[in-house]
Amino acid sequence: ILNVEQSPQSLHVQEGDSTNFTCSFPSSNFYALHWYRWETAKSPEALFVMTLNGDEKKKGRISATLNTKEGYSYLYIKGSQPEDSATYLCATPAGTALIFGKGTTLSVSS
Amino acid sequence: DAGVIQSPRHEVTEMGQEVTLRCKPISGHNSLFWYRQTMMRGLELLIYFNNNVPIDDSGMPEDRFSAKMPNASFSTLKIQPSEPRDSAVYFCASSTSGSRDEQFFGPGTRLTVL
Repeated sequence: ILNVEQSPQSLHVQEGDSTNFTCSFPSSNFYALHWYRWETAKSPEALFVMTLNGDEKKKGRISATLNTKEGYSYLYIKGSQPEDSATYLCATPAGTALIFGKGTTLSVSS
Repeated sequence: DAGVIQSPRHEVTEMGQEVTLRCKPISGHNSLFWYRQTMMRGLELLIYFNNNVPIDDSGMPEDRFSAKMPNASFSTLKIQPSEPRDSAVYFCASSTSGSRDEQFFGPGTRLTVL
């Protein structure tokens, strides 16, 4: 059974801090790595879909890197803002299913 | 496009009752997914349709759960009879091509079974 692990489980930072979290996934038979942002009372929203080893994607203050050989991806948030507070999920395809990690819940205090 | 549409947004029912959740995927998307989100298990896939055909239903918990997709613009997830442990948020998502492409999630249906 494919296992996607995320750490830390939760994180609390001050406004303006930069932060990062990790997603670990099996490196064998890799196809793609997804990052989603999930705000409370809303639905998950895709941030990035990454496929190439060494790939780096950026959207505003959020960026992600991918290492398919060792099976990990980092998500970085530069200068965290209260509106960044959300759960960040990573996921990778396994057959027909997209296997999600349990997420990292970020809380940003002003 | 309005995005993925789910109804109802909230459902409260009594144990033993039949519950039907509805989903309208984004037009042009040929893959549709039903997920269940609970505190204990996180987001787990229940069933996946491609071109209206169920491809993988291994995540459906038991025979009380069934899902249909009669056409490209509509899917239902039915629980009969419902039980308190079915209480969760049920999400529908669609994508252009299977699990490898970005998925667009609906707002979810929060189900409470008393």
